[in-house]
Amino acid sequence: GENVEQHPSTLSVQEGDSAVIKCTYSDSASNYFPWYKQELGKGPQLIIDIRSNVGEKKDQRIAVTLNKTAKHFSLHITETQPEDSAVYFCAASIRGYSTLTFGKGTMLLVSP
Amino acid sequence: ETGVTQTPRHLVMGMTNKKSLKCEQHLGHNAMYWYKQSAKKPLELMFVYSLEERVENNSVPSRFSPECPNSSHLFLHLHTLQPEDSALYLCASSQDGGVITDTQYFGPGTRLTVL
Repeated sequence: GENVEQHPSTLSVQEGDSAVIKCTYSDSASNYFPWYKQELGKGPQLIIDIRSNVGEKKDQRIAVTLNKTAKHFSLHITETQPEDSAVYFCAASIRGYSTLTFGKGTMLLVSP
Repeated sequence: ETGVTQTPRHLVMGMTNKKSLKCEQHLGHNAMYWYKQSAKKPLELMFVYSLEERVENNSVPSRFSPECPNSSHLFLHLHTLQPEDSALYLCASSQDGGVITDTQYFGPGTRLTVL
């Protein structure tokens, strides 16, 4: 089955810096890659996603890039703010019924 | 708010108890999911329902029993659990479920502790 590796497990940055979280997947047939943000006491919230026919997608301060050849995708957050502090999960989907395989998560800490 | 609610938010139970977790979605979606979130482990998909029919069951022990009476409600019935079942149980829903790129919306979860 699909396996998703996510790095780093924790990331500390200063406010205003950029943050990058990387994920690799094992199954070349995976074709949908969402990123979720989970704040304390809440469920994961979708922040951005990318389909396999697209190499990059941006939404204001966040962007995702996908390299299908290397089977990895990354989340980029620019001009980080303290409210960006949370756990971020990447995921990959291959099968029907929207089954997602998640990475272990990255705890992002943004210091003022 | 994501439109997916879960009750209770916290639950403590003994190994011999029987309890149920409830999930309700107000989004008009047709697919619902149960996930288990344990510390330092990826979210684990447990069950998927599409149009009230179970379509995925990822080798989950029989002490977890899902029920989907309609497309808006999903239950997880618990009995004779083990301490290692302590985790955050998340419910999610999506529009179709049969579409790989269907966005899943998560509820806040139920924090379960098994003593």
